[in-house]
Amino acid sequence: AQSVSQHNHHVILSEAASLELGCNYSYGGTVNLFWYVQYPGQHLQLLLKYFSGDPLVKGIKGFEAEFIKSKFSFNLRKPSVQWSDTAEYFCAVKAYPGGSYIPTFGRGTSLIVHP
Amino acid sequence: ETGVTQTPRHLVMGMTNKKSLKCEQHLGHNAMYWYKQSAKKPLELMFVYSLEERVENNSVPSRFSPECPNSSHLFLHLHTLQPEDSALYLCASSRGGGRFDTDTQYFGPGTRLTVL
Repeated sequence: AQSVSQHNHHVILSEAASLELGCNYSYGGTVNLFWYVQYPGQHLQLLLKYFSGDPLVKGIKGFEAEFIKSKFSFNLRKPSVQWSDTAEYFCAVKAYPGGSYIPTFGRGTSLIVHP
Repeated sequence: ETGVTQTPRHLVMGMTNKKSLKCEQHLGHNAMYWYKQSAKKPLELMFVYSLEERVENNSVPSRFSPECPNSSHLFLHLHTLQPEDSALYLCASSRGGGRFDTDTQYFGPGTRLTVL
């Protein structure tokens, strides 16, 4: 079964700093990759996703992620964070074939941005 | 009303109580999911229903019992819970739900459950 590892559990940044959150997965076959965000008091919602094609994916609010197959990674980046980016970020993976088609989530990274 | 709704938003129950969580999606999706979200742990999938199959996670204790009467509604029946079952229970839906469903999941706000 696939597993997802998010290395940074807590990240604290000042506004305008650059952000990179790590996500690695264990499955070697075809994968679909997701980043979800949960703002304080709000629902989990999709930030961006990768299915195929360009490995550099752009999402909402200036976020992007790069799929590097050789490294089994899908790191999330933003060049300049804002206070409103304070949230919990979750990486998720769906794997085909052989792996479960049900997404596996990482444990999440808590991001706090100081104004 | 749009999206995924969950009721109640907060629930406090004793270990001998029986209660149910309700989830409703207004997105025309074919798959619905229950997740457990505990502090400092990954989201744990509990159950999924789709038009094609129902998947149960064998590690979910029998004190949690799902029910999916149609593609828009999902229930989680609770009985004789333990304090360690206290968590945020999230419902989600997705369009396809099949083996090759590549669609996004849409989450509800969750039910914050406290077991005394």
